[in-house]
Amino acid sequence: EAGVAQSPRYKIIEKRQSVAFWCNPISGHATLYWYQQILGQGPKLLIQFQNNGVVDDSQLPKDRFSAERLKGVDSTLKIQPAKLEDSAVYLCASSLYEQYFGPGTRLTVT
Amino acid sequence: AQSVSQHNHHVILSEAASLELGCNYSYGGTVNLFWYVQYPGQHLQLLLKYFSGDPLVKGIKGFEAEFIKSKFSFNLRKPSVQWSDTAEYFCAVMDTGRRALTFGSGTRLQVQP
Repeated sequence: EAGVAQSPRYKIIEKRQSVAFWCNPISGHATLYWYQQILGQGPKLLIQFQNNGVVDDSQLPKDRFSAERLKGVDSTLKIQPAKLEDSAVYLCASSLYEQYFGPGTRLTVT
Repeated sequence: AQSVSQHNHHVILSEAASLELGCNYSYGGTVNLFWYVQYPGQHLQLLLKYFSGDPLVKGIKGFEAEFIKSKFSFNLRKPSVQWSDTAEYFCAVMDTGRRALTFGSGTRLQVQP
């Protein structure tokens, strides 16, 4: 079966610019997650969707980050405006019972 | 709130050496436990998981882990490592209510031929 797809794989932007990441989960997986992985740390949950509803966004910096999952399938994570500390790998995962991870998007903010 | 602690940040072993990576978690409720591996340039992959039952769980590529509830630990072991085991290893805990993962900071394993 196809895995979790993410794009772009790499992105370099200047601080205060905006950026968007896209995720296509495994077909049939109702739950979708976005994680942020800063260099040298483990992934940290940003937001969890169940179908197109938000289950947990308690660790999402809502003043600059937003996410949506239209029609309960694909999802987009946006940062506006970006800060230097947002440099990280952004991972998307989907699950029925266990989580499957995509390749991630490596964001560098200069 | 849950937390996961991985004691070893960087481990260097020779091929055929035995491996044990420590993982401790803090959470008072029912948890599911996982070890994920990330090979260079690849996705995070599930190595093994514990949901319930036998506390000694076996995963892919000869890895196993033991859940010791009294110590809040879930250590990863392999009797004889190979060069291809060079990777970063993450321990994670999932509370059965939220179903989101809390990860440790990871252990980078380097196996020298």
